Amino acid sequence: GQNIDQPTEMTATEGAIVQINCTYQTSGFNGLFWYQQHAGEAPTFLSYNVLDGLEEKGRFSSFLSRSKGYSYLLLKELQMKDSASYLCAVRDDSGAGSYQLTFGKGTKLSVIP
Amino acid sequence: KAGVTQTPRYLIKTRGQQVTLSCSPISGHRSVSWYQQTPGQGLQFLFEYFSETQRNKGNFPGRFSGRQFSNSRSEMNVSTLELGDSALYLCASSPRAGDTGELFFGEGSRLTVL
Repeated sequence: GQNIDQPTEMTATEGAIVQINCTYQTSGFNGLFWYQQHAGEAPTFLSYNVLDGLEEKGRFSSFLSRSKGYSYLLLKELQMKDSASYLCAVRDDSGAGSYQLTFGKGTKLSVIP
Repeated sequence: KAGVTQTPRYLIKTRGQQVTLSCSPISGHRSVSWYQQTPGQGLQFLFEYFSETQRNKGNFPGRFSGRQFSNSRSEMNVSTLELGDSALYLCASSPRAGDTGELFFGEGSRLTVL
């Protein structure tokens, strides 16, 4: 099975930087993903890491360490619209020719003025 | 390009009834996955379909079933509804099987069981 842990809630100030951590335990690791979900809306894809290191995409960056089973999502220059839930998801090669995404329970980020 | 479309968006059922939810993927996407989202458990994988075949299944009881049609549209069915089945059911499509990394989610069907 898989176990994915991330903080339940975080609060940060507009304009600041926030780091959301995710730890996971899985067999057949085949990639880690971050999704953003605003209240009442569908999750939307943010980033993907399959190799160790940092992936940067504008104000958002995601880091992966496979040996430590650890990832983080870094959000810079926070804006009020960044208030949302951030979901960490691990892709597992089930060996059946089909990849399955297992999600953490999400981190609810509140950005305050 | 239209996104993933789910119907109905909201529905209310009573215990013991059954429900069918529909999902139309993005045009050209052949893989459809279903997830259940609840406040306590987060997003949980139900099943994935590709070319009308179930490729993978999560840890849900047999009351949860699904199918995919030749046009890639998918339906999921929940029989003998229980109060705990109240949730947001999300459908996600991706271009091909074996690469479900970037999923494109629909707005979901919010089911309330009374």
